[in-house]
Amino acid sequence: DGGITQSPKYLFRKEGQNVTLSCEQNLNHDAMYWYRQDPGQGLRLIYYSQIVNDFQKGDIAEGYSVSREKKESFPLTVTSAQKNPTAFYLCASSMATQETQYFGPGTRLLVL
Amino acid sequence: QKEVEQNSGPLSVPEGAIASLNCTYSDRVSQSFFWYRQYSGKSPELIMSIYSNGDKEDGRFTAQLNKASQYVSLLIRDSQPSDSATYLCAVNDGSNYQLIWGAGTKLIIKP
Repeated sequence: DGGITQSPKYLFRKEGQNVTLSCEQNLNHDAMYWYRQDPGQGLRLIYYSQIVNDFQKGDIAEGYSVSREKKESFPLTVTSAQKNPTAFYLCASSMATQETQYFGPGTRLLVL
Repeated sequence: QKEVEQNSGPLSVPEGAIASLNCTYSDRVSQSFFWYRQYSGKSPELIMSIYSNGDKEDGRFTAQLNKASQYVSLLIRDSQPSDSATYLCAVNDGSNYQLIWGAGTKLIIKP
């Protein structure tokens, strides 16, 4: 059963804490993406990766970091430098960049 | 700044009628266009992609693309209450490897 999984579904962060959001895909896609969505807003690109061991900053990369050590996995770390992290985080993948993107179920991050 | 513009709505349509959603984009070299549906609290799901001028039909959905006028639209025939959602338009950026996203149009189908 192919698809994209994200975990956890909900994540609570304490002030000054780094947290990591998981994204795994078994679609054999080369490209992966992280987006942030705030209430009533569209999608904003945080980071994207076209291929293993390579990634690029999106429009709002400050306060976030990623790695792409395996084709299937693209974890996102929300660092303490991100002062307003409360949002819905979406991971997506595609065969190649600019092709159809498929989304995981999302992770909702809340600050305690 | 390359942009994709959508009317935020809400667009209210009676059940059984045709819902028409519009999207304009600024990048003249864009070649790929996508419509996604997003239910409240859920992730976006692809409805249709379109790459050539004209109409593309898939069941009750029709995407229309006019590159000269730089707009893409989505028609939903025989609208159902289950079509109530936010519809996101995405367009490829001709100069890098990203999609440019509109903020979405909220559609409400009234029984």
